[in-house]
Amino acid sequence: DTGVSQNPRHKITKRGQNVTFRCDPISEHNRLYWYRQTLGQGPEFLTYFQNEAQLEKSRLLSDRFSAERPKGSFSTLEIQRTEQGDSAMYLCASSYQSVLNTEAFFGQGTRLTVV
Amino acid sequence: GNSVTQMEGPVTLSEEAFLTINCTYTATGYPSLFWYVQYPGEGLQLLLKATKADDKGSNKGFEATYRKETTSFHLEKGSVQVSDSAVYFCALTLFGNEKLTFGTGTRLTIIP
Repeated sequence: DTGVSQNPRHKITKRGQNVTFRCDPISEHNRLYWYRQTLGQGPEFLTYFQNEAQLEKSRLLSDRFSAERPKGSFSTLEIQRTEQGDSAMYLCASSYQSVLNTEAFFGQGTRLTVV
Repeated sequence: GNSVTQMEGPVTLSEEAFLTINCTYTATGYPSLFWYVQYPGEGLQLLLKATKADDKGSNKGFEATYRKETTSFHLEKGSVQVSDSAVYFCALTLFGNEKLTFGTGTRLTIIP
């Protein structure tokens, strides 16, 4: 297993277009998280899944954002009608939920630039 | 709400210097505390963690002690190397919900 994989690594899009990012977690991990990181800031939580169920969404996740994890494996994050303010690094992380283990493993991120 | 406040950066030190990066937190309940590191061009990696008061996390010569009385989790290393140059993030989670709340990050540069 090579860890958490995110594709694409970079995406440049015009304002108003839709974009979709993919995250492949570590294979036995049942939890998957999406975060957004803007320049000079720490990552901010967007949403997370346990298996295929989306359990929590941040207020940051406007109705233009949607995330899915249809079979409890990979996940997609779609942004509709992109705005310049959506430009950021989008990070995916996965973990195996248990009583003892709370470590999340991060992918390298997808950098989105909206022009 | 929950929040993490980190020492402002950037921090520049000479090789073999002593490092401290301050981190304080506010949380409802009893958080687990983490330090993550982001090396240039790489993803976030867990550096160390502590899950209860007075625990000390350690890894790669770095240490941090969970201080409940001062709500702090300061990162220390006795002798830094050029390879420690990276951005360091302090973070917390609450039991039962492992979403991370991060600080703003501290960029560390070590010069030979």
